[in-house]
Amino acid sequence: AQSVAQPEDQVNVAEGNPLTVKCTYSVSGNPYLFWYVQYPNRGLQFLLKYITGDNLVKGSYGFEAEFNKSQTSFHLKKPSALVSDSALYFCAVRPRDNYGQNFVFGPGTRLSVLP
Amino acid sequence: DADVTQTPRNRITKTGKRIMLECSQTKGHDRMYWYRQDPGLGLRLIYYSFDVKDINKGEISDGYSVSRQAQAKFSLSLESAIPNQTALYFCATSASSSYEQYFGPGTRLTVT
Repeated sequence: AQSVAQPEDQVNVAEGNPLTVKCTYSVSGNPYLFWYVQYPNRGLQFLLKYITGDNLVKGSYGFEAEFNKSQTSFHLKKPSALVSDSALYFCAVRPRDNYGQNFVFGPGTRLSVLP
Repeated sequence: DADVTQTPRNRITKTGKRIMLECSQTKGHDRMYWYRQDPGLGLRLIYYSFDVKDINKGEISDGYSVSRQAQAKFSLSLESAIPNQTALYFCATSASSSYEQYFGPGTRLTVT
């Protein structure tokens, strides 16, 4: 079965420090990979995606993510966290050969950036 | 995302009632989706539609039905609501030519 794991329910980091939100997946083939962010009372907002090419992808708001095929991971990173980055982050995968374009979402990681 | 709207934003209903959640989009996307979000479970797909005449069940379709009235409109119905359908419901859209999905603001549904 396809699955996405986000091993940390909660990540706390001090403002100005680097942050990492972890994601690993179990999906056949080479899936497309995504990160979304959800602010309170809002829908999910697309942050970035990995389709092919360079393993390090850059996205919105200074976020980037590193794809590691051997570890089936797609960790989200930011060099210097802001208080406004505090939100719920979701990793998602979409099988590359899935006509249904069905996404599988992780359970989410709540990021708290402390001033 | 203002391009994907959902109504109502909040709804409280009683067990056994029929309820419809509506989604509209101005993004011009052909594909639309309904998800539910439960704490600690992420998002789970209920139904998806690739065009007006193409409707497909997702992971958790039991107890739900959908209608794609037009390319821009996709409605989710609960024929007889039950308390474990209490959740946050999201509509999403995507273009057949792109990879990512775009989400509406969500509908918080409480079934008492």
